[in-house]
Amino acid sequence: RKEVEQDPGPFNVPEGATVAFNCTYSNSASQSFFWYRQDCRKEPKLLMSVYSSGNEDGRFTAQLNRASQYISLLIRDSKLSDSATYLCVATRTVTGNQFYFGTGTSLTVIP
Amino acid sequence: EADIYQTPRYLVIGTGKKITLECSQTMGHDKMYWYQQDPGMELHLIHYSYGVNSTEKGDLSSESTVSRIRTEHFPLTLESARPSHTSQYLCASSPPGPSGVPPRTQYFGPGTRLLVL
Repeated sequence: RKEVEQDPGPFNVPEGATVAFNCTYSNSASQSFFWYRQDCRKEPKLLMSVYSSGNEDGRFTAQLNRASQYISLLIRDSKLSDSATYLCVATRTVTGNQFYFGTGTSLTVIP
Repeated sequence: EADIYQTPRYLVIGTGKKITLECSQTMGHDKMYWYQQDPGMELHLIHYSYGVNSTEKGDLSSESTVSRIRTEHFPLTLESARPSHTSQYLCASSPPGPSGVPPRTQYFGPGTRLLVL
């Protein structure tokens, strides 16, 4: 089973719509969580961290449910520029690799 | 903006050639990583390093090798390139932190797009 699983989409939504992405992680020892954004043919870039109490950054809201091992990202009032792939990431302290990326969810915002 | 660089950005090369993909960062990060990513597909970790003279293989088996002689430099080498090595290679780094706590984030370089004919 993969450490981090996401619905690959694609999600095609009209401008102004609200869209939600979900992600689950398999290892309860995971400590920190992030959402990254990757534009087509570009490198991933950190979008926001995910805190247990939930956090908001402008139109973006991230939620974490440790009991269900579930992370979400909500985008309100979608813009054309939001079109990208959104990667869910979990990290934990182990002797080996510490970052676990999901496969990504593709979003296209349509005019 | 993160100061992590990769060269070349694009490389087209014939089968059997030896190639080295360069990655360097000027942020003093101790941890560095190499990922392979095909178009529209997920990231696969192929190598990582937690400091000078420390290298480990990642989750995806790769015929490439890496070295970490200097903190800022983490080159990846393919001794004999093959068409199956055609892909995008992304280098990343993350800063040091308290013991027992995973890094806060990774910073990615712009990637090298490799085409082996």
